[in-house]
Amino acid sequence: GQNIDQPTEMTATEGAIVQINCTYQTSGFNGLFWYQQHAGEAPTFLSYNVLDGLEEKGRFSSFLSRSKGYSYLLLKELQMKDSASYLCAVRDRDNQGGKLIFGQGTELSVKP
Amino acid sequence: EAQVTQNPRYLITVTGKKLTVTCSQNMNHEYMSWYRQDPGLGLRQIYYSMNVEVTDKGDVPEGYKVSRKEKRNFPLILESPSPNQTSLYFCASSQHGSNQPQHFGDGTRLSIL
Repeated sequence: GQNIDQPTEMTATEGAIVQINCTYQTSGFNGLFWYQQHAGEAPTFLSYNVLDGLEEKGRFSSFLSRSKGYSYLLLKELQMKDSASYLCAVRDRDNQGGKLIFGQGTELSVKP
Repeated sequence: EAQVTQNPRYLITVTGKKLTVTCSQNMNHEYMSWYRQDPGLGLRQIYYSMNVEVTDKGDVPEGYKVSRKEKRNFPLILESPSPNQTSLYFCASSQHGSNQPQHFGDGTRLSIL
């Protein structure tokens, strides 16, 4: 079956670093996306990993290990505006470029 | 401005009354998709379309229909809505290519009484 697991909630302090983990079991793998979704708004794209290793984009970094079926999103120098839900999504190779499978999302609360 | 536009943004209606949620994108994207988002269940794909006149079922297609007569439009049709279709719906589009991120519309909150 297809399964993507993320923690439901996390809390962190402004200025700190937080790591949001995602594990996946899918019938195929053709890349992993991270999205940010503020309450009541549309998800917005943060990062994409298809090869093992770390991708860095400003305060946000994303890591992938395909052999372990594992990814994490690292947020540095946390700001209050980073309070949002973070969605991990895997592209399943079985539907070329088509199908994205989403995890339930991790609700991150950043406190002063 | 590049965007995905959904209408209506909010709708309260009654069981059995046919409704259509429109979705339009101005980015010339080949791929379009509909999701529903429910608490504790995340985003689940309803239907997707790889190109004009090509549509396919996602994970939760029951009770929904779609069409893709033009590249820019991908309406979601609920022929006979029921209360279990009360949800937040998102339309998304992207270019073809496994590394292409999906761009989401602002969402449509449907309440079926």
